[in-house]
Amino acid sequence: AQSVTQLGSHVSVSEGALVLLRCNYSSSVPPYLFWYVQYPNQGLQLLLKYTTGATLVKGINGFEAEFKKSETSFHLTKPSAHMSDAAEYFCAVSTTNAGKSTFGDGTTLTVKP
Amino acid sequence: DSGVTQTPKHLITATGQRVTLRCSPRSGDLSVYWYQQSLDQGLQFLIQYYNGEERAKGNILERFSAQQFPDLHSELNLSSLELGDSALYFCASSVTDRAVEQYFGPGTRLTVT
Repeated sequence: AQSVTQLGSHVSVSEGALVLLRCNYSSSVPPYLFWYVQYPNQGLQLLLKYTTGATLVKGINGFEAEFKKSETSFHLTKPSAHMSDAAEYFCAVSTTNAGKSTFGDGTTLTVKP
Repeated sequence: DSGVTQTPKHLITATGQRVTLRCSPRSGDLSVYWYQQSLDQGLQFLIQYYNGEERAKGNILERFSAQQFPDLHSELNLSSLELGDSALYFCASSVTDRAVEQYFGPGTRLTVT
């Protein structure tokens, strides 16, 4: 079984500030981990993914995430927030044994001018 | 544009009715996944097909069914609709039967009145 917990359903930052969205996962086998972004009235877009290898993963739009096995975490960061980053972000986990992804409840990011 | 298409974009229907949602995966993708996104349940995996065969099942109600056709497009059939079925229904596709990288369609918004 696999599960995802996103800490904080709403995060608000000022433009130019650090973005940190938290994700913890549970998996009985080595996980694949993902971050997706959803803009209003749109589908989910893949930001970045971790499968194997380097634990620091860089994605689109300046986002990156670090896989920390000891902490079962995969937090998403961006050094400097832009207004265009305002959206809902989903962390997801999959495994080599499962076709499906399990998604967290999502975190809504608000960026203040 | 992910390359995954879904029709229709919006659907309004009455309780007790039956509807069909359609999804065309990205060119070359063999696997199709259906997800339901609602305010109270979040993003829930419903079912996966791979090359025409059912591969994994999630929280899919018995009133719901799906299939994948030889041309790889998929349809999700929802019957005896209830108010609680109102949600965004997403289709995603991937090359293999493993959700290592899924591409999401724009979704179909179903409103049951």
